[in-house]
Amino acid sequence: DAKTTQPNSMESNEEEPVHLPCNHSTISGTDYIHWYRQLPSQGPEYVIHGLTSNVNNRMASLAIAEDRKSSTLILHRATLRDAAVYYCILRGGFGSGTYKYIFGTGTRLKVLA
Amino acid sequence: DTGVSQNPRHKITKRGQNVTFRCDPISEHNRLYWYRQTLGQGPEFLTYFQNEAQLEKSRLLSDRFSAERPKGSFSTLEIQRTEQGDSAMYLCASVGVDGYTFGSGTRLTVV
Repeated sequence: DAKTTQPNSMESNEEEPVHLPCNHSTISGTDYIHWYRQLPSQGPEYVIHGLTSNVNNRMASLAIAEDRKSSTLILHRATLRDAAVYYCILRGGFGSGTYKYIFGTGTRLKVLA
Repeated sequence: DTGVSQNPRHKITKRGQNVTFRCDPISEHNRLYWYRQTLGQGPEFLTYFQNEAQLEKSRLLSDRFSAERPKGSFSTLEIQRTEQGDSAMYLCASVGVDGYTFGSGTRLTVV
């Protein structure tokens, strides 16, 4: 299973944009890039995913490098409720086996008021 | 769609006792996963069901652990003869086309 590398922690001021990086140099051509976040005492929560093109949804944007060896999760205006651990995960497409996720330790985002 | 439900939310047990956790997935999801998470770490894969069939088990799942999913609906995870090292958050997830939906987990404390 391909691995991802993320910084252990980051800080941001409230209402400012946050860019959370992820390196995945061993990504395969069929691996999707998924982002989840985990609030204290909760299970991980889906944020966004993509394959090759940049993606936007109501929660965030995902920018994927042209060679797909890195990606960046963008929170456009951080709020105190965005303080969480953010996980970047690679997942094969349907039919590629167990479809299990391999979590790293993620990036702990601290948002300062 | 009421999400993935896990019960109990918290369980404190004495070392050597058996415990059982329950997970009710999203009804139309046929894939169900169990993960374990210790403090400061990301979740670790334990096992996976497609409908009622258990298709993969991690080496983390010792002989004291057993999981079932009768009729392909809810699932149970049982730990026999609990040890202090079993203290963790046990997470269940069911899978749809966009990815996983996790429950809030069962936090087990073995004293």
